[in-house]
Amino acid sequence: DTGVSQDPRHKITKRGQNVTFRCDPISEHNRLYWYRQTLGQGPEFLTYFQNEAQLEKSRLLSDRFSAERPKGSFSTLEIQRTEQGDSAMYLCASSSYYRGMYTEAFFGQGTRLTVV
Amino acid sequence: AQKITQTQPGMFVQEKEAVTLDCTYDTSDPSYGLFWYKQPSSGEMIFLIYQGSYDQQNATEGRYSLNFQKARKSANLVISASQLGDSAMYFCAMRRANAGKSTFGDGTTLTVKP
Repeated sequence: DTGVSQDPRHKITKRGQNVTFRCDPISEHNRLYWYRQTLGQGPEFLTYFQNEAQLEKSRLLSDRFSAERPKGSFSTLEIQRTEQGDSAMYLCASSSYYRGMYTEAFFGQGTRLTVV
Repeated sequence: AQKITQTQPGMFVQEKEAVTLDCTYDTSDPSYGLFWYKQPSSGEMIFLIYQGSYDQQNATEGRYSLNFQKARKSANLVISASQLGDSAMYFCAMRRANAGKSTFGDGTTLTVKP
């Protein structure tokens, strides 16, 4: 296991289409996070899972966004009826307990979404 | 709510010199962690260093050290002996002890000159 893996790395879609991204965390990590990053900004939290339970969702995660982590392993992030404002880098991270707290020590390389 | 402020959009440093990247934070929680990440042009976020709010000593990891001043609510990153490969975007982040999410600043672009 070499790290957090995200697929695809790049996605171009037409406005109104649905897209789904996948994240495979480090196998022994039970926490998995999704962030969104737009150009020139820091990552913004979207949601996180502990095992298969989705414990927190940001207000950024509108009804068009849904995330799942069946069986507590890989996770998917789906965006329905994409809009141009959804264009961004979508980052996944997984974590283990580190010096008294969980931390996103391991990020994937991200999926860059472009909505045209 | 937590807030991270990085006031330096861009910084330049000569190769082999030290550089300090500023980070101030705002929180009312007594227990929290502070983190720095490096993001090269390839896009991957690389974890660099962590400081807990109750840690008595400043964190160090190789050429990286975190200058933690709790009363001033600052957590500056010091990179010693800069290398060309240090050129990247650097993000400061914070998380409450039992929270799920981290809050990130807007980053500082560091350019190391040969």
